[in-house]
Amino acid sequence: EAGVTQSPTHLIKTRGQQATLRCSPISGHTSVYWYQQALGLGLQFLLWYDEGEERNRGNFPPRFSGRQFPNYSSELNVNALELEDSALYLCASSRTGLGEKLFFGSGTQLSVL
Amino acid sequence: DAKTTQPPSMDCAEGRAANLPCNHSTISGNEYVYWYRQIHSQGPQYIIHGLKNNETNEMASLIITEDRKSSTLILPHATLRDTAVYYCIVRVSNYGQNFVFGPGTRLSVLP
Repeated sequence: EAGVTQSPTHLIKTRGQQATLRCSPISGHTSVYWYQQALGLGLQFLLWYDEGEERNRGNFPPRFSGRQFPNYSSELNVNALELEDSALYLCASSRTGLGEKLFFGSGTQLSVL
Repeated sequence: DAKTTQPPSMDCAEGRAANLPCNHSTISGNEYVYWYRQIHSQGPQYIIHGLKNNETNEMASLIITEDRKSSTLILPHATLRDTAVYYCIVRVSNYGQNFVFGPGTRLSVLP
């Protein structure tokens, strides 16, 4: 069974541009989570999608947005990129409900120059 | 904010058991305790989780105190490949809340 897949692996952008990151969850998982991990820091929760709806959002500005498609894959968009957006962006998926495990992808390393 | 507290770092000799503590004094009755680990720049890896009872799988054992206010992750025979940051997470009980990761414990397994 395939795990959580993220693309691209690496992404280089310049300040002010837009970045689009993609995530395919494990088959059967309807929830997708996005986390940001800046170098040397912990995981900061960004967004949670379930059944196509945004269920929760972390303390990030509106230029961080996303969506979940009918096949449960997800996209994270970051507009008006700033230098401090450089980070590892991790996607995770799970089945719905308490007691379910979260499975992570390998992440997208975004570098803003 | 994370609902757990962990020591920032620990050392363990290779081949010995690694015991990683976690305090979660405000845990509610239906909140699960999860453990994940992250090896440098990789996605976090699920280790184990539990509600009330102690749990064991092929990777580790999870010991939860009777009052559920703390737990210990046990790696029975630590290897160099177990060097990682270990996160203890209490998932809040309301449907619609996320997994909140704290700073974790950096475990160094020494030869």
